[in-house]
Amino acid sequence: DIQMTQSPSSLSASVGDRVTISCRASRGIANYLAWYQQKPGEVPKLLIYAASTLHSGVPSRFSGGGSGTDFTLTISSLQLADVATYYCQNYNTGPRAFGQGTKVEI
Amino acid sequence: EEFLVQSGAELRKPGESLKISCQGSGFKFTEYWVGWVRQRPGKGLEYMGIIYAVDSDTRYGPSFEGQVTISVDRFTNTAYLQWSSLKASDTAMYFCARGPDVFDVWGPGTMVIVSS
Repeated sequence: DIQMTQSPSSLSASVGDRVTISCRASRGIANYLAWYQQKPGEVPKLLIYAASTLHSGVPSRFSGGGSGTDFTLTISSLQLADVATYYCQNYNTGPRAFGQGTKVEI
Repeated sequence: EEFLVQSGAELRKPGESLKISCQGSGFKFTEYWVGWVRQRPGKGLEYMGIIYAVDSDTRYGPSFEGQVTISVDRFTNTAYLQWSSLKASDTAMYFCARGPDVFDVWGPGTMVIVSS
């Protein structure tokens, strides 16, 4: 089964900063990679699919990139509303494994 | 609007059985798969498995095969997650979500507490 590894596990940044989260797959998954946002006490929400396609309603400050084994989620200008844990997920083959999450704080 | 509605919180003792539910509305349930995701207190998301409403084709995550049973009733648009013998380590929030690939619609979660 494919394993997903995110880095860092947590980060602290200031409002307006550019923030980048990495996700690595244990083997190539083409662009079958999704990102989710889970705010404290809330249900996870789909942010990005196909590695770089924003889900409906997601602010344009979010962007995704990468293919194969290495992927990134970037927040171009961090806002208070972005405080959350972010998860990547493989949906290429086998179990739809999640990464362990990256907690973003301000 | 598209919803997944989950059954309410449960408190059970170790060794007891349990079945929780997830009902879809606002979309054609039989065109999708429904997945289950576990989140233990303070921990990350864990993929448990997924089921296709039309033929009950079920795929389990590696840590959950044999530990839980996922089922579906396509006539009531409802997916189920069940345990035959709960453990304290099953204490978690359980989310259902619409698949089969990305999870674009999520239920509110069912909190399951297993304690003697």
